[in-house]
Amino acid sequence: QKEVEQNSGPLSVPEGAIASLNCTYSDRGSQSFFWYRQYSGKSPELIMSIYSNGDKEDGRFTAQLNKASQYVSLLIRDSQPSDSATYLCAVNMKTGNQFYFGTGTSLTVIP
Amino acid sequence: NAGVMQNPRHLVRRRGQEARLRCSPMKGHSHVYWYRQLPEEGLKFMVYLQKENIIDESGMPKERFSAEFPKEGPSILRIQQVVRGDSAAYFCASSPYARGEAFFGQGTRLTVV
Repeated sequence: QKEVEQNSGPLSVPEGAIASLNCTYSDRGSQSFFWYRQYSGKSPELIMSIYSNGDKEDGRFTAQLNKASQYVSLLIRDSQPSDSATYLCAVNMKTGNQFYFGTGTSLTVIP
Repeated sequence: NAGVMQNPRHLVRRRGQEARLRCSPMKGHSHVYWYRQLPEEGLKFMVYLQKENIIDESGMPKERFSAEFPKEGPSILRIQQVVRGDSAAYFCASSPYARGEAFFGQGTRLTVV
């Protein structure tokens, strides 16, 4: 089992819709969770961080964490074409020091 | 506050040469991570350093690769005797503390010809 798993997509949503991105992780003791956005040919950009169970909202973005289910998600409301990118889930596990990244979910927002 | 600075942005090396990639973390950040990314693939962890110390190098090949983060100056990722398979984007990220938010530099695109 991979440390962090994401549905690779591609995921397509119409403009204005809600995009839902999901991520599961293997280490139950993980404590820090992050979502990054990466445009083609660019570097990853931090969007959200979440450390405790529940929801965390920032503008159009909501991160949701469920440690019991080892599941973290990102919701993008009112999706815009500029949201079209690859979204990377990253987890800092209890064991080890690195951030483990999923392979990313490609999102396309259709005008 | 400048972001994470990586240089060069693009680097071309012939097989057998050495590649030296530099990363200056954000001000106040003492934790540096190096990642490698191949086209259409995810980020692969290479090494995690704190000032003057290598904390975790489990993702870095034992041969030809080395990293350092001296007390003064940028972190350096060195690849000796490069081969075509080393061609990739190399990203550096920095964080103010362990397990904290990590911010990425623009990356160095290494091409081995």
